[in-house]
Amino acid sequence: DAGVIQSPRHEVTEMGQEVTLRCKPISGHNSLFWYRQTMMRGLELLIYFNNNVPIDDSGMPEDRFSAKMPNASFSTLKIQPSEPRDSAVYFCASSPGGGQHFGDGTRLSIL
Amino acid sequence: RKEVEQDPGPFNVPEGATVAFNCTYSNSASQSFFWYRQDCRKEPKLLMSVYSSGNEDGRFTAQLNRASQYISLLIRDSKLSDSATYLCVVTRAGGNRDDKIIFGKGTRLHILP
Repeated sequence: DAGVIQSPRHEVTEMGQEVTLRCKPISGHNSLFWYRQTMMRGLELLIYFNNNVPIDDSGMPEDRFSAKMPNASFSTLKIQPSEPRDSAVYFCASSPGGGQHFGDGTRLSIL
Repeated sequence: RKEVEQDPGPFNVPEGATVAFNCTYSNSASQSFFWYRQDCRKEPKLLMSVYSSGNEDGRFTAQLNRASQYISLLIRDSKLSDSATYLCVVTRAGGNRDDKIIFGKGTRLHILP
């Protein structure tokens, strides 16, 4: 079975550029989550959707971050403009209710 | 006080030993609890849910103590492959904007040969 699919796996870009991270959840899962993980701060929930509707976006650090879920099989997390402090591993996860299944993550480096 | 706290470790444990670690939470309204494991440079993977009555899955036992507001994970007959970071997750009721899902920062476990 296909798990949560994230792309790209790695992204290196210069500060000021727009970055778009993509996620395809597991089919049938009605909740989707975006996380950011760094050594200093651990795993932080940025936003999560239930049935494509944003439920809690209190973890989104600032207006430079935005997330969309136009349909049940696709979500994006966008950073514009990007800054070096955004460098982290970004995980997407989905859930049918209960435990979450994580994608492999996107390693983002902003130079 | 952080809402979810874990001892960061590392716990260095000889192979075959039993090891246990806790995760404390501060909000008494917390309703769902989980343990995840995360290997170095990999994604977190669900290990087990934690039920009020406690639950066991092979060598792993998870328990919830609501009165003292902590969950625990016990690993018996530890294997080298158990070496990982163990993350606890605490959530509140689902379906509205008051929902919170909080991961602890994890406890690092090293099983020594």
